[in-house]
Amino acid sequence: GAGVSQTPSNKVTEKGKYVELRCDPISGHTALYWYRQSLGQGPEFLIYFQGTGAADDSGLPNDRFFAVRPEGSVSTLKIQRTERGDSAVYLCASSRLAGDDEQFFGPGTRLTVL
Amino acid sequence: AQSVTQLGSHVSVSEGALVLLRCNYSSSVPPYLFWYVQYPNQGLQLLLKYTTGATLVKGINGFEAEFKKSETSFHLTKPSAHMSDAAEYFCAVSEWNTGNQFYFGTGTSLTVIP
Repeated sequence: GAGVSQTPSNKVTEKGKYVELRCDPISGHTALYWYRQSLGQGPEFLIYFQGTGAADDSGLPNDRFFAVRPEGSVSTLKIQRTERGDSAVYLCASSRLAGDDEQFFGPGTRLTVL
Repeated sequence: AQSVTQLGSHVSVSEGALVLLRCNYSSSVPPYLFWYVQYPNQGLQLLLKYTTGATLVKGINGFEAEFKKSETSFHLTKPSAHMSDAAEYFCAVSEWNTGNQFYFGTGTSLTVIP
């Protein structure tokens, strides 16, 4: 079956612009997670959804970052007024249920802020 | 709070030699532990996981890891390195009772010398 997909695979933007990153989880997975992986680092947790609601957004670095999952499937990570420090690979993962012992990761979106 | 420490950001081994990648964790509850591999420009792929039960777990591509509670370790080993093992390896911990977001180490880059 299809895995987690993320679009776009690459996004180049200018400082101060707004960007949206999309994640399509595995069908039927109720939990969805966003991570950010900076160069030379491991992925860092940003936010996770159980269904439509954000169950934990403690990893979002500031109020420029926001994520939604309005129908409990596709999720969009939104970044306002992008900064050069936002450049990273943004990873999405899903699991059947929150608390499941395995997450399935997408290939990521590489964001470059010039 | 959960955290993961991977000793050695770069490890080099000769082809056919033992691979040992170290991982220590901290967790306030019995953890779930994972090793993921990341090939260049690809997503994270699960190598193996420990949740409960047998402390020696076997994964794909001949890798295995042993959960040692007393040492808070989950080191990854492979008896004989292959050129195709060259990649970035990440250890991760999660706590099922907090939504299961993963906390990753900073990664170990494995080089295999022919």
